[in-house]
Amino acid sequence: DGGITQSPKYLFRKEGQNVTLSCEQNLNHDAMYWYRQDPGQGLRLIYYSQIVNDFQKGDIAEGYSVSREKKESFPLTVTSAQKNPTAFYLCASSEPGQGSYNEQFFGPGTRLTVL
Amino acid sequence: GNSVTQMEGPVTLSEEAFLTINCTYTATGYPSLFWYVQYPGEGLQLLLKATKADDKGSNKGFEATYRKETTSFHLEKGSVQVSDSAVYFCALLRGAGSYQLTFGKGTKLSVIP
Repeated sequence: DGGITQSPKYLFRKEGQNVTLSCEQNLNHDAMYWYRQDPGQGLRLIYYSQIVNDFQKGDIAEGYSVSREKKESFPLTVTSAQKNPTAFYLCASSEPGQGSYNEQFFGPGTRLTVL
Repeated sequence: GNSVTQMEGPVTLSEEAFLTINCTYTATGYPSLFWYVQYPGEGLQLLLKATKADDKGSNKGFEATYRKETTSFHLEKGSVQVSDSAVYFCALLRGAGSYQLTFGKGTKLSVIP
């Protein structure tokens, strides 16, 4: 089955440590995204990548970094510079150019808790 | 800039009640509009969409009509079920070739038997 996988589902880290969240898709989509979700908030875009070896900052990129070395993978690193990293992180992908919109497909999410 | 405003929740309904979740938007040009649903502990799933004015999106008994004159995309269902309990997000995509979805804050729906 095609889809997006994120691992792990739950992640605990000590304050001051960097942590990398995994996102893999087998939908053959060019574009991938990382969102952050906080209680009572909508999703906020952290980074997105339209194509391999290219990515752009979203609305809340500070304290995060990404790489896009392969089409199917878009890992997110939460660095120690991120002031409040505890949140639910969602990865998505899309195939642009399909008509007038590009539907985004979401993974199941990773809940990160910094102790 | 683009923005999406949803009615605040939580919303609690009895099974078989009528559901409306209001969504209004601010955007330049002609955005595409979406409703996503998030079940507890899961990612988001696309529920329905509309890409131009007067389009009606529908899926699983849910409907929403793209109203350009009122900049609205309200979600409705005639008879909710316990299994519809989830968080619903309204979102817009600014236009063809755009990559960034703008989400509302979400509305939590609880349906009780």
